[in-house]
Amino acid sequence: GAVVSQHPSWVICKSGTSVKIECRSLDFQATTMFWYRQFPKQSLMLMATSNEGSKATYEQGVEKDKFLINHASLTLSTLTVTSAHPEDSSFYICSARSLKTSASDTQYFGPGTRLTVL
Amino acid sequence: AQKVTQAQTEISVVEKEDVTLDCVYETRDTTYYLFWYKQPPSGELVFLIRRNSFDEQNEISGRYSWNFQKSTSSFNFTITASQVVDSAVYFCALRLYNFNKFYFGSGTKLNVKP
Repeated sequence: GAVVSQHPSWVICKSGTSVKIECRSLDFQATTMFWYRQFPKQSLMLMATSNEGSKATYEQGVEKDKFLINHASLTLSTLTVTSAHPEDSSFYICSARSLKTSASDTQYFGPGTRLTVL
Repeated sequence: AQKVTQAQTEISVVEKEDVTLDCVYETRDTTYYLFWYKQPPSGELVFLIRRNSFDEQNEISGRYSWNFQKSTSSFNFTITASQVVDSAVYFCALRLYNFNKFYFGSGTKLNVKP
């Protein structure tokens, strides 16, 4: 089946620094990727939808200047948490929507990135 | 608006017991997908099933079975003869047809004790 990878799988950073998380679709092309955030013992909440070659669409309440999303190619989207603070510590999960007609409505989730801000 | 409710926050069973995880959803759309995902401690979401709103047939896959009832807007998940490896958080989710956004329930943590 389709595979989505994330890098790094976990990261610890100091407060005030920026962290970049990569999401890659390994064996398929994805015009659309999605970024979710999951706080401990909570559900996944969609942060933004990333479209290749255009600006990301952010969900209500998500600061676009703090969570920078770049979707430079059909297989790569990046999420940069700028000036991270302890409250940004969370599990970030991406998903990618396949271009294949037979699976055009299928999304594949990455393994997640655990961010801890000290 | 769309909403998915998983009323059971945490369930504990002893190995070999059967367990049913409840999921109730709300939507005014007539075409949608329902999903179940398993999230083990590692965090990675494991896809279990996708059900089209037009297909109300129940499905069985090994020890797993799903009961979809549009009349009650429920999509319940049953694990038969549970095993310790089934311990995880299980999420029910809704996605409207031709839309990208997933609406996840709050999850049910299943503890299967030996």
